[in-house]
Amino acid sequence: AQSVTQLGSHVSVSEGALVLLRCNYSSSVPPYLFWYVQYPNQGLQLLLKYTSAATLVKGINGFEAEFKKSETSFHLTKPSAHMSDAAEYFCAVDPSNDYKLSFGAGTTVTVRA
Amino acid sequence: DAGVTQSPTHLIKTRGQQVTLRCSPKSGHDTVSWYQQALGQGPQFIFQYYEEEERQRGNFPDRFSGHQFPNYSSELNVNALLLGDSALYLCASSQQGFGANVLTFGAGSRLTVL
Repeated sequence: AQSVTQLGSHVSVSEGALVLLRCNYSSSVPPYLFWYVQYPNQGLQLLLKYTSAATLVKGINGFEAEFKKSETSFHLTKPSAHMSDAAEYFCAVDPSNDYKLSFGAGTTVTVRA
Repeated sequence: DAGVTQSPTHLIKTRGQQVTLRCSPKSGHDTVSWYQQALGQGPQFIFQYYEEEERQRGNFPDRFSGHQFPNYSSELNVNALLLGDSALYLCASSQQGFGANVLTFGAGSRLTVL
């Protein structure tokens, strides 16, 4: 079965600092990969997706992620954190392109002023 | 565009009861998936409906059942509720054949089982 591992359940960054959220997946073939964000009391919002095109994927709100097949990783970054980035972030994989996503446990981001 | 709408937003039930959650997909979407998100965890896939049939199912017992109506809206039913069923239930819609597996999620229905 496909799985996703998010390293670090909590990340705290200063406003203006780099945000780095780690995600590793298990798959024998490159899957479809996603990052979602969840604000308190809200559903999930898609940040970006990898679908076997460019390995560096740009998303909304200044986020981007790089697919590295050799490392089976899909880490999410943002050069400069903003207070509004405080939320929970989920990495997800869809190995068969059939809309059945497997999610990681999530990483909560706190932004310090 | 109202996006995906779910009802009710919150509800409280007792063990052994039954619950029905409802979902209206985003306009233009024909596929509905349901996910369970327990506190502090990522969402877990329950099942997916397309053309009024269950197309895929995750590792959930038969107490969890669903339905999709001709207008693409969907219901999730859970029978014989257990304390462990307490969670946020998320509905997600998509359009078959559109590619790139993009799901649009609703805000969820938070179920508390006492």
